[in-house]
Amino acid sequence: AQSVTQLGSHVSVSEGALVLLRCNYSSSVPPYLFWYVQYPNQGLQLLLKYTSAATLVKGINGFEAEFKKSETSFHLTKPSAHMSDAAEYFCAVSDNAGNMLTFGGGTRLMVKP
Amino acid sequence: EPEVTQTPSHQVTQMGQEVILRCVPISNHLYFYWYRQILGQKVEFLVSFYNNEISEKSEIFDDQFSVERPDGSNFTLKIRSTKLEDSAMYFCASRLAGTLDTQYFGPGTRLTVL
Repeated sequence: AQSVTQLGSHVSVSEGALVLLRCNYSSSVPPYLFWYVQYPNQGLQLLLKYTSAATLVKGINGFEAEFKKSETSFHLTKPSAHMSDAAEYFCAVSDNAGNMLTFGGGTRLMVKP
Repeated sequence: EPEVTQTPSHQVTQMGQEVILRCVPISNHLYFYWYRQILGQKVEFLVSFYNNEISEKSEIFDDQFSVERPDGSNFTLKIRSTKLEDSAMYFCASRLAGTLDTQYFGPGTRLTVL
């Protein structure tokens, strides 16, 4: 069985500050890992994904994530937060058949001016 | 850019009634999914569908739920007799073909059961 834990249901940063959203996973097989973002009243949009190629994955809007097998982590970072980054962020893991995504609980990012 | 669409955006129903939630996946995609998110909780997988049959389903997807691809474009989720605890946001997603392909999500249908 697979699972995802996102530490911190709410994260608040100042505009221009580093964004760090934490994700730890559990998987019995080599995982595929994803970060999705959900803006208010919208669906889930893929930010980036790890599929066993490079461990540092770059995504849209300046976000990146690093897969660390030894730590079973896939934390999401952005060097400088923008007001438009305020949203809910979901980490997810997939089995290697791509059949289903298992999501973490989500982290709501707030950006202060 | 192609996108997954869902109708209606909000559905209100009485307990015990049947509801059908509709989705139009991206046109050349082959795999289809339903997920739900109860307010304040995780997004949960319900079912995946490929080649006109269910490929995987979760424990949530009991006999009250069914899915159908009635034509070449729509993908529906039916709840036969809604319960209060079915109130949630329901997301449809589709994927092209390969296991590395991304699942693209629709905007969701908010179902409220009274």
